[in-house]
Amino acid sequence: DAKTTQPNSMESNEEEPVHLPCNHSTISGTDYIHWYRQLPSQGPEYVIHGLTSNVNNRMASLAIAEDRKSSTLILHRATLRDAAVYYCILRETGFGNEKLTFGTGTRLTIIP
Amino acid sequence: DAGVIQSPRHEVTEMGQEVTLRCKPISGHDYLFWYRQTMMRGLELLIYFNNNVPIDDSGMPEDRFSAKMPNASFSTLKIQPSEPRDSAVYFCASITATDRDYGNTIYFGEGSWLTVV
Repeated sequence: DAKTTQPNSMESNEEEPVHLPCNHSTISGTDYIHWYRQLPSQGPEYVIHGLTSNVNNRMASLAIAEDRKSSTLILHRATLRDAAVYYCILRETGFGNEKLTFGTGTRLTIIP
Repeated sequence: DAGVIQSPRHEVTEMGQEVTLRCKPISGHDYLFWYRQTMMRGLELLIYFNNNVPIDDSGMPEDRFSAKMPNASFSTLKIQPSEPRDSAVYFCASITATDRDYGNTIYFGEGSWLTVV
C-alpha cells in the first residue's frame, strides 16, 4: 500500500500562511492526493485534492511536486478555527477496489 | 441529504458484552468504510465494502470483530465479546466512484465513541 509521511506537529501564528508537507514517495500513477482535517471530537472533513496540477479552493491550496512524490497543503491565512489534525491521504483506485489509508497526520496548533 | 449517520454516538459497555455499531451511508454511495481511531494507532481502516460486498477486511483486528452490509443503506460493525482494548472511536465513511471521478469527497460520520470497562 502506498503510504504518506507527515510531521507529527506544527505551529503557526494566527493570520500567517501555513505550509503542511507530505511525502508519498511510493505513489502510483493513478493515486489521487487528498487532504482531510479533523477538528476535535469530529470526523475527518475534506479540504482539497489533486492528481498532478496545483489546486486552489476557498479553504486552501495544494502544491504537488513535479514527480508527485510530495505535496504541500497551504493555508493562506491561518485562523484559530484551523487548529486540527491534517491528514494527507492517497486515494488508491482501481475498478471495484478502492482503498483510503490515513497516515499519522500533522497536528496544527495556531498561536493567537 | 443528512450525511453519513452513525449510531450510537456514545456507548459504555462491560467487558464480555456484545457491541453493535450502525451506519447509514449517503444515498447513492457505493463504497462504505469502517475506521477505528485510538490515540496510540490513529485512524485505521478496518474493512470496506463496494456495492454491499466486503472487498478488504485485512484491517479487522481479530475474529471478535465482524461487519455486514445487508443492503446499500445499512451496515453494522459487531464486537463479540468486547474487551477494554476495543475502546476507541469508530468512524463510518462513504464515497461514490460510479462516475469514476476519483476526486469525489469522502464523507465521514460523526463517529461512535465506545468505552469498554
